Amino acid sequence: QVQLQESGPGLVKPSETLSLTCAVSGYSISSGYYWGWIRQPPGKGLEWIGSIYHSGSTYYNPSLKSRVTISVDTSKNQFSLKLSSVTAADTAVYYCARVSIAAAGDSYYFDYWGQGTLVTVSS
Amino acid sequence: SYVLTQPPSVSVAPGQTARITCGGNNIGSKSVHWYQQKPGQAPVLVVYDDSDRPSGIPERFSGSNSGNTATLTISRVEAGDEADYYCQVWDSSSDHHYVFGTGTKVTVL
Repeated sequence: QVQLQESGPGLVKPSETLSLTCAVSGYSISSGYYWGWIRQPPGKGLEWIGSIYHSGSTYYNPSLKSRVTISVDTSKNQFSLKLSSVTAADTAVYYCARVSIAAAGDSYYFDYWGQGTLVTVSS
Repeated sequence: SYVLTQPPSVSVAPGQTARITCGGNNIGSKSVHWYQQKPGQAPVLVVYDDSDRPSGIPERFSGSNSGNTATLTISRVEAGDEADYYCQVWDSSSDHHYVFGTGTKVTVL
């Protein structure tokens, strides 16, 4: 059974960098699949942040691209998120997830999710 | 960018059928995926590739997709189905982007 667990500071000051890590168990990241980060502001909907392939190829939400970096560490079987210059608008529950590909190969979806971690941006 | 529109809320009595729509331009040409999210929990995939169910998801959950509307149908609704539901597509025209719908709160009366 694939399991994902987010970790990182729950409180970040404005203008600083948010850093989170997603530890994966039950599956080796180096074996394949994309891996992604999604966030959800309190009381709001889901927003895709970005995704990374096990080889390191990355894709980012255009609205966040200038501030986001996602990296992978296959030796530790984990991947990470960095979001710079944060503001209160970045306060959200951050989820990591595994990405699966549709049977037709023309779409991707999130089949395994971490429990999420709340990050609050405040001084 | 691609936009997915869902009704904010749907109410249904136990034992009845709930239908949740997801509107998007020519969404029928895309594969649609659906997630259930209960309060304080992570989303759970309930339907993928328009109409397939992951292992462990009851047959009461089904999906369809045509034209400009995709639909998640929950048959014989139970109290435990009360949750937020989100549709999602992969927008290949926007460099490998994932788009979520606005979300629908299903209330079991």
